[in-house]
Amino acid sequence: NAGVTQTPKFQVLKTGQSMTLQCAQDMNHNSMYWYRQDPGMGLRLIYYSASEGTTDKGEVPNGYNVSRLNKREFSLRLESAAPSQTSVYFCASSVQLPGQGAGETQYFGPGTRLLVL
Amino acid sequence: RKEVEQDPGPFNVPEGATVAFNCTYSNSASQSFFWYRQDCRKEPKLLMSVYSSGNEDGRFTAQLNRASQYISLLIRDSKLSDSATYLCVVIPMDSSYKLIFGSGTRLLVRP
Repeated sequence: NAGVTQTPKFQVLKTGQSMTLQCAQDMNHNSMYWYRQDPGMGLRLIYYSASEGTTDKGEVPNGYNVSRLNKREFSLRLESAAPSQTSVYFCASSVQLPGQGAGETQYFGPGTRLLVL
Repeated sequence: RKEVEQDPGPFNVPEGATVAFNCTYSNSASQSFFWYRQDCRKEPKLLMSVYSSGNEDGRFTAQLNRASQYISLLIRDSKLSDSATYLCVVIPMDSSYKLIFGSGTRLLVRP
């Protein structure tokens, strides 16, 4: 099993450009998440999808959109990139059975490093 | 005030030393607590859960103090391979889907 995969690994954008970050998991997990990590800030939740067909905002959703394409795939779209979106983006997934906490079973992808000029 | 606060470090210790990190959280209703480990330029990985009764996994011991709202991680007999950033994670009572991450404590173990 590959676990959680993310593409691309690196990306440079100009202000105003758009792009989609792709994430896929092969562990048959129900829940998927997008985080960003900035120096000194820790990981912050952008959006999450508790199950196929549902998405919800996290702590910092402005400037982003998501699509839960199917159970395996959860994409993150930047419609008009801004320098403030320069960050490392991590996708994660978890089994999230009813009554089960998210942290114990959350698996992260290798990350996408994004630079917006 | 941040919901989860950690000393950023770095903690610079010799091999074999014992080192401890604390993490404080602001929401007294938080339900679950974890330590994640993150190597340089890599993704976070779950290190261990933190239970009220405390738990131990080899050289690692995690403790929770609900009254004072902090969790701790103790590493005994430090190895070079323990060098990493340790992230404190809290799950709030109102949502089991959302993890609140601390900004991490960096540990450097020197020969």
